[in-house]
Parts: sequence; C-alpha cells; structure tokens
Amino acid sequence: DAKTTQPNSMESNEEEPVHLPCNHSTISGTDYIHWYRQLPSQGPEYVIHGLTSNVNNRMASLAIAEDRKSSTLILHRATLRDAAVYYCILRDTTSGTYKYIFGTGTRLKVLA
Amino acid sequence: EPEVTQTPSHQVTQMGQEVILRCVPISNHLYFYWYRQILGQKVEFLVSFYNNEISEKSEIFDDQFSVERPDGSNFTLKIRSTKLEDSAMYFCASSARTGIKVEAFFGQGTRLTVV
Repeated sequence: DAKTTQPNSMESNEEEPVHLPCNHSTISGTDYIHWYRQLPSQGPEYVIHGLTSNVNNRMASLAIAEDRKSSTLILHRATLRDAAVYYCILRDTTSGTYKYIFGTGTRLKVLA
Repeated sequence: EPEVTQTPSHQVTQMGQEVILRCVPISNHLYFYWYRQILGQKVEFLVSFYNNEISEKSEIFDDQFSVERPDGSNFTLKIRSTKLEDSAMYFCASSARTGIKVEAFFGQGTRLTVV
C-alpha cells in the first residue's frame, strides 16, 4: 500500500506559490521520492523526483527534509492549469519492476 | 516531445464481449505497464511487461486479462469477457529502463464502459 501521507485537498490563489506537503516516515535510504499529477480526465503526468538534495525543473521544485521523512512540492506560481490531483510516491522495491503505488493524493484547487 | 498514445480514447462494450486496448509506448522504451482507475478511486497497478514477457502482475490481473506486444511498436491489453466492474480508465505507461529513480510516462488513457 501507499507509503506516503498527503492532505486530501488544498487551495491556492492564482499566481501565488503553492507548497504541497508529503510525509514518508518509513522511507528507506535508497527510496526516491516521485511526484506525479493527474489533471481532470487525463493520465498521470510526471512532475519531478529526487533522493536527498532539493531538485528543480521547469515544472516545479522539490524540497526534501534533511531526515528525508518528508518532502514538499513547490509550484512557484500556480495557474488555473495546475488544478489537479498531486501524488507523492515511493516506488515499490519489493519486486524488480519498481511499480508505482498510488495513494489518494492531494487535490489542488486554484482560485482565479 | 515523445508521448505514450492510447487508442481508442473511449470504448463501450457489451458485457461478455472481448476488448483490446491499444498503446504505442515511447520509442526506445523497454518497460511497459498497464494501470487502471475506477471512477473516483485510486490508480491501480495491473501488470508490467519486459522482454516479451510479464514481469509482474497484480491480483486484479486474472485469467481474463492478457497483454501482448504484437510488433515493435504496439502494446495491447485484452480483456476476454468483460464484466460490469471492468468499467474504468485504463492507462498504459512506459519507461526506458527500470530502477528506483527512473520515471515512467503515462498515456491519456482509454475509458472503458461495459454495459
């Protein structure tokens, strides 16, 4: 089952930064933290992933706590198009396929 | 930008009929997956496929389901005798290699409605 905990929902104003938290207290030393998002009626979309250091890409930033038991996805300026369900995922390492185990995610609502 | 494409986008079928959902993974990707999402529920893993064989399958992936890579580009999911509870969004995904830090890319999904 999902090894991460996220708030069910969050709201943000358009053009404001958004910080989406994720707890993963049972994370192991080799687990990478992956973030995906799912826009309405679409497939999951890769956002970012990281191991220990903070990561940036064109979509978002990922801040990882020093003890790695939590992380935060940062959208620097939310737009209406960022309204989606955001999933924080640790890959399943019990088999060689490293499949994703999705939780319920955080539903982000962006207010105009 | 390369993407995973799925066809059809929506399929309606009678209960008991066979359906084939099609996917074209990203070129040069070697690992392929099917996931499904029943309306309002979580995205669930069905099966992974590598080197022309199933590498892992979930409890959902029973004898009614099969996967195939019939040629160098397509990856298909077949449901032999559909049931009402098979109604869901089915997502195909692919990745270039496997590993804990490798991202997978998902298609837009096929909405299967069994009536």
